[in-house]
Amino acid sequence: ELKVEQNPLFLSMQEGKNYTIYCNYSTTSDRLYWYRQDPGKSLESLFVLLSNGAVKQEGRLMASLDTKARLSTLHITAAVHDLSATYFCAVGTGATNKLIFGTGTLLAVQP
Amino acid sequence: GAGVSQSPRYKVAKRGQDVALRCDPISGHVSLFWYQQALGQGPEFLTYFQNEAQLDKSGLPSDRFFAERPEGSVSTLKIQRTQQEDSAVYLCASSLGGARETQYFGPGTRLLVL
Repeated sequence: ELKVEQNPLFLSMQEGKNYTIYCNYSTTSDRLYWYRQDPGKSLESLFVLLSNGAVKQEGRLMASLDTKARLSTLHITAAVHDLSATYFCAVGTGATNKLIFGTGTLLAVQP
Repeated sequence: GAGVSQSPRYKVAKRGQDVALRCDPISGHVSLFWYQQALGQGPEFLTYFQNEAQLDKSGLPSDRFFAERPEGSVSTLKIQRTQQEDSAVYLCASSLGGARETQYFGPGTRLLVL
């Protein structure tokens, strides 16, 4: 059974600091997705990573995928308050691409 | 264009009642997924449609849960004889189809069973 683990589960950061969220998964996949969820809202797609070594960047966020290590990272550069949200990684599986989600990382950026 | 829409946004049901949750996917999207998200957890897969065909229902927790997409567009998730453990947010997602496409999520239906 595929398992997806994120750490940390909770991250309190100061504005301007850098940090990385880690996403480990237990079986081979080359389909990794990052989503953002604000309280009471739905999931917003951030990044789609579809090959080993893929790196995507948008603003202060950068995501990468290492399929050999079964690891994806979401790096936050110079955090700002607007980045406060819960971040989920999800692994696509099978022909249907159903997603197996991690537990989520609650990010709180303090001024 | 319009995103995925779901209705109702909130539903309160008494234990034992039947509920029906609706999903309108993005126009032209072949694939439609239902997920269940418990409080403080990540979404969990329930079922998958390709057009009108339900190809995977392995995530449905019991035979009280039933989903359909009769014309390959709008989908309905029905829960019969609701129980308290059914309380969760039910998310619908759609994609163009194919095994690598991004899934776009709707706002969800928050179900509370009393």
